[in-house]
Amino acid sequence: AQSVTQLDSQVPVFEEAPVELRCNYSSSVSVYLFWYVQYPNQGLQLLLKYLSGSTLVKGINGFEAEFNKSQTSFHLRKPSVHISDTAEYFCAVRRFGNEKLTFGTGTRLTIIP
Amino acid sequence: DGGITQSPKYLFRKEGQNVTLSCEQNLNHDAMYWYRQDPGQGLRLIYYSQIVNDFQKGDIAEGYSVSREKKESFPLTVTSAQKNPTAFYLCASRSGEQETQYFGPGTRLLVL
Repeated sequence: AQSVTQLDSQVPVFEEAPVELRCNYSSSVSVYLFWYVQYPNQGLQLLLKYLSGSTLVKGINGFEAEFNKSQTSFHLRKPSVHISDTAEYFCAVRRFGNEKLTFGTGTRLTIIP
Repeated sequence: DGGITQSPKYLFRKEGQNVTLSCEQNLNHDAMYWYRQDPGQGLRLIYYSQIVNDFQKGDIAEGYSVSREKKESFPLTVTSAQKNPTAFYLCASRSGEQETQYFGPGTRLLVL
């Protein structure tokens, strides 16, 4: 079985400050990893994904994430946030050969002007 | 424009009523999925379909039914057996050659 833990349910950050949203997963086999963003009353939009290769992946809107296999983590980072980054962020994992995508419970990012 | 459409945006259900949520995609994706989203619980998989005329239960299929008669369509019926249907429902699809699921805009179901 696979599971995803997002350690922070809410993260307030001042505008132009850096942010890190944490994600840890558990799986006995290799996985694909994803970060999605959800704006109020909308669907999910893919921010970035790790499938293989370089452990540092870059996504849209200036976000990046680093896959750390030994720590089973996939933390999301941005060096300088903007008001428009206010949203809920979901980490998700999918095992190789498995159709199921398992989501964390989400982190609500609030940007303080 | 290619994408996934869900309708209606808001849906109201009366006690004992079945309601059907629509999901259509023109991305030529093979696989389609239905998720339920409740506050603080993330997304939970209801049903998925990897090919026309075939579908599998997800983690919370009780009280729901689906069909996949066409590649581009995957409607979800919330039956009267679902005692707590109030939630945000999201449809997604995935190409067989890609690992990424793409999501529609969602339908919010409310009980009268």
